[in-house]
Amino acid sequence: SQQGEEDPQALSIQEGENATMNCSYKTSINNLQWYRQNSGRGLVHLILIRSNEREKHSGRLRVTLDTSKKSSSLLITASRAADTASYFCATATYGNNRLAFGKGNQVVVIP
Amino acid sequence: DTAVSQTPKYLVTQMGNDKSIKCEQNLGHDTMYWYKQDSKKFLKIMFSYNNKELIINETVPNRFSPKSPDKAHLNLHINSLELGDSAVYFCASSQGHNYEQYFGPGTRLTVT
Repeated sequence: SQQGEEDPQALSIQEGENATMNCSYKTSINNLQWYRQNSGRGLVHLILIRSNEREKHSGRLRVTLDTSKKSSSLLITASRAADTASYFCATATYGNNRLAFGKGNQVVVIP
Repeated sequence: DTAVSQTPKYLVTQMGNDKSIKCEQNLGHDTMYWYKQDSKKFLKIMFSYNNKELIINETVPNRFSPKSPDKAHLNLHINSLELGDSAVYFCASSQGHNYEQYFGPGTRLTVT
């Protein structure tokens, strides 16, 4: 089942601005992951945050996880045109041998 | 070196034909997957293998048959292709189902 739901679904920003995306899920998770997909390419793993972690950073990316609200956010700071892509969240749940991917967020960064 | 590779990248074929997509990973992972991504970018898991053993077999038509000759390869064979099979098919691999997945570049299948 696909339980990750990203919000908003499409985002258009100017280069240099920050972009924030949210993801909600329904059941207890082992971890939550964010992926990027550039047009015509495969998904690329960005960051994994475990259920006992609240925040994680990787370069210009910042991910938060609120297990009480069953939600996560991905912040891209100082966006670049190359950040134009679709962003997916995916959850790994206990006893389920798969990742559940959300519908994806399209982010367009205007130079 | 490409971590997860798929061939072909594009596949255009007529209804009723049989085709195969090949996938190889050189990451030493035990687990491999096939996903289907539709035109709305919705990603649906189809199959998962762990060390050549079928772990996930989602509700897909039995015209789709995966084959894993060894843990570095997971091929997808599709019989009697239909228009609705048109999509992008992604292969992926990981250390295990809770770990990050590494995706191939995708195979865009167009059935005419």
